[in-house]
Amino acid sequence: RKEVEQDPGPFNVPEGATVAFNCTYSNSASQSFFWYRQDCRKEPKLLMSVYSSGNEDGRFTAQLNRASQYISLLIRDSKLSDSATYLCVVNFARNTGNQFYFGTGTSLTVIP
Amino acid sequence: DGGITQSPKYLFRKEGQNVTLSCEQNLNHDAMYWYRQDPGQGLRLIYYSQIVNDFQKGDIAEGYSVSREKKESFPLTVTSAQKNPTAFYLCASSPGPYEKLFFGSGTQLSVL
Repeated sequence: RKEVEQDPGPFNVPEGATVAFNCTYSNSASQSFFWYRQDCRKEPKLLMSVYSSGNEDGRFTAQLNRASQYISLLIRDSKLSDSATYLCVVNFARNTGNQFYFGTGTSLTVIP
Repeated sequence: DGGITQSPKYLFRKEGQNVTLSCEQNLNHDAMYWYRQDPGQGLRLIYYSQIVNDFQKGDIAEGYSVSREKKESFPLTVTSAQKNPTAFYLCASSPGPYEKLFFGSGTQLSVL
């Protein structure tokens, strides 16, 4: 079983649409959670951290449900520039150190 | 500006050849990581290091080797034992437990 599971999409949405991505994780001891954005052949860049109380940054809202072990990302009023792959990342500590686990990514294309 | 520098951006390997990918950071982070990304797949952990002179194998360490002689540097060697090395390699660092990952710009390795 994979540590982190994401729907790979692709999601093709018109400009201005609202789109939501979900991600599930298997390790209940996971401590921190992130959404990263990755453009083609580029490095991932942090979009936002995800907190238990949920958090918002402009058009982006992230939610964490520890009981069900899933995190979500909501993008409102989609822009063409939002087209990218969105990676769900989960972090927990092993006795050998701090490790990060990545979902396969969800591809989003915003259409004019 | 602080950050992570990976070089080269593109690298070509001949059959039976070892090649080394460079990763340098000036963020004063203790933890450093190497990931491999294949098309349509998530990032997979090759090796990680929590402290100088110590490193741990990740999920796909076979055919790779690393060293951590300095806090700033974490080079990755792709050995001839790695039979399918073509991939996008990403180096990352983190300031501490449960903190976010910072990425270098990546190295695309291809086989001639």
